[in-house]
Amino acid sequence: DAKTTQPTSMDCAEGRAANLPCNHSTISGNEYVYWYRQIHSQGPQYIIHGLKNNETNEMASLIITEDRKSSTLILPHATLRDTAVYYCIVRVVWGNTPLVFGKGTRLSVIA
Amino acid sequence: GAVVSQHPSRVICKSGTSVKIECRSLDFQATTMFWYRQFPKKSLMLMATSNEGSKATYEQGVEKDKFLINHASLTLSTLTVTSAHPEDSSFYICSASRTGGNQPQHFGDGTRLSIL
Repeated sequence: DAKTTQPTSMDCAEGRAANLPCNHSTISGNEYVYWYRQIHSQGPQYIIHGLKNNETNEMASLIITEDRKSSTLILPHATLRDTAVYYCIVRVVWGNTPLVFGKGTRLSVIA
Repeated sequence: GAVVSQHPSRVICKSGTSVKIECRSLDFQATTMFWYRQFPKKSLMLMATSNEGSKATYEQGVEKDKFLINHASLTLSTLTVTSAHPEDSSFYICSASRTGGNQPQHFGDGTRLSIL
C-alpha cells in the first residue's frame, strides 16, 4: 500500500504557481520522498526527490517539512502542459526497490 | 532524452496470441527492472521485479506462467503475455534505474495492449 496521502484533484490557473501537497506521516528515516507525474497515455516522468532538505531543479521545487511528515511540490509557473497526475512516493534509500504508486493528484491547469 | 525505451508502444491482436514487450535501458546497465500494469483511470500496479541472470519476482496475484519475464542482459528485459485474452488488455510500463542508493527510477513510455 502507498504510504502517502494526496488530494484527489486540484486546479491551477496558467502562469500561477501550483502547490501540490503530500502527507507521509509514517515516513522512516531511511526513506526519500519522490515526485513523478504521468501525462495521459505516457509513462511516469521523474520530477524531483529529497530526503530532508528542500530541493530545486529546472522542473520544480520540493519543500519538506522539518519533521518530514509532509511535503509540497511547487511548479513555479504552471503551463497547460503541466496538466497530469502527480504522484508523491516514499522509497527507501538503499537498494533498488520498486516504486509503490498511490492514487496521486490530478492537476488541471486552466487557461 | 529518454533513458528507458519500451517497444512496441501499441499492440492490437487476437485472443490467444502471445505478445512480447521489450524494455531497454539506453545509456546505463540495469541489473533490476520493474514491470507495472495500469488499467484506465487507475494507478500503476507493480507486477514483477526483473532480475538480470535470475528468475523474476512476481507480486501476489500475478501469474508467472502468464506473464513471462526474461532479463538476459544488463540492458534488456522482456515481458511476454502468453495466450493473451481480452482481460489482459492494459497499459504495461517498465522502469529501471542506475545503480546507487537514491537513483530515481526512469520509466518507458508504456505499451498499450488491446486483445480482441
